[in-house]
Order: sequence, then structure tokens, then C-alpha cells
Amino acid sequence: QSVLTQPPSLSGAPGQRVTISCTGSSSNIGAGYAVHWYQQLPGTAPRLLIFDDTNRPSGVPDRFSGSKSGASASLAITGLQAEDEADYYCQSYDSRLSGPTFGGGTKLTVL
Amino acid sequence: EVQLVESGGGLVQPGGSLRLSCAASGLRFSTFWMSWVRQAPGKGLEWVANIKENGNEKNYVGSVKGRFTISRDNAKNSVYLQMNNLRVEDTAVYYCATRGGPKGFDYWGRGTLVTVSA
Repeated sequence: QSVLTQPPSLSGAPGQRVTISCTGSSSNIGAGYAVHWYQQLPGTAPRLLIFDDTNRPSGVPDRFSGSKSGASASLAITGLQAEDEADYYCQSYDSRLSGPTFGGGTKLTVL
Repeated sequence: EVQLVESGGGLVQPGGSLRLSCAASGLRFSTFWMSWVRQAPGKGLEWVANIKENGNEKNYVGSVKGRFTISRDNAKNSVYLQMNNLRVEDTAVYYCATRGGPKGFDYWGRGTLVTVSA
């Protein structure tokens, strides 16, 4: 059981906006630790999508954006495209576990 | 271009040992924390261990403490994961990744599959 909770699945039509939530607690996101987001396309390694809550690495389209409030964070994807179909994971640090921790992942389906 | 290439995975019986390696290029290896992250078949990501730039600090997830050992050789731009007393539940793709702190895990290898089965 992950300490960061994500919806297991989500779907959207091309061009739509979707939001993936990541709910934590006072020992991780709520304590102010940075939240990062990863995209994992089928059969490939994860790729860093958003770091330190809201920042995009170079090469990541600005259709992807991150936000954080209290003990929760969100990843928004606008102008949904077929190639966005993937698994998405949030990640932060947990002081009780004394290490990085991932959410359970959200499978995004583009209809 | 940063490249991380894992090796050493394979099939091992419960109770056995394996040593994973990760060779890095395209970065100043000695200035990066390094981590191992694993993914069981059909499951999510789990951080396993990390090691500080100079090797003086190491951290592990609870389920592998006392069984796994992370190490590095900055002269060879490599990080290792010695896995002893392997269990069926250690079956996973093991990824090598850089950092994992405030900037997240910014570079990942393609992974190496470890299968623990009788």
C-alpha cells in the first residue's frame, strides 16, 4: 500500500484536459517535500516529467503542468494526445519511511 | 547525452545472490547521488536504495535492509547492488537512476530483470 494515493485509472478524449491527483500526508507532501511526476510509456523506463512540484525538464511539452496544495499534488495534461497514453507516477520523500516514495501509479487511457 | 546501462540480472533461486551493475556516461558521475528503483511485474515503482556522491552515506527501503548492499566506484563511473538472500518478492525490473532528491530521479537506465524462482 503506497503512502501516496493516486487514482488507478483515468481516461480522456483527444484534446481534453485531464488531472491526476496525488494525496499524501504530514510526513511527505504535507511536510513540504518536493513532488515529482514520471511518465512511463508501455515497455519503457520511467521519464521525469515534472520536478520540484511545478518545474518541467527541458524537452517536456508545456501541456504538462504540476501543482501542489497542502498534502496533495496534481499533474494536469492539456490538449490530450494519443501518445500521452501511459502510466503516471507521483513521488516525494517520506520522513517516516526515511526515503523516497512513489504513488501507486495512474494508467491514463486516451479514448 | 547521459546514459545509464544496467547489467547482471537473471534467474536465481530463492536464497541466492546476484550483483547488479550500472555503468554511467555523459555526466560527472562523482557529483551525483545514485539510486536503484525496482518494478515488480505489472506493479508500480519502488525505491530500493541510494548512495551519496562519495559513497559515505547509504539508505535502503526496509524490506531489503540487511540483504542488499549498494556501492559505487567513481573511477569506473559505476554503481552496484549486491543482493543476497533473495526472495520471490524481489522479482522485478531493477532500474538505476540519478539523484532522487529535490530534482527527482532525472535520468534512468532501461533496467535489468531479476527473477527469483525455484
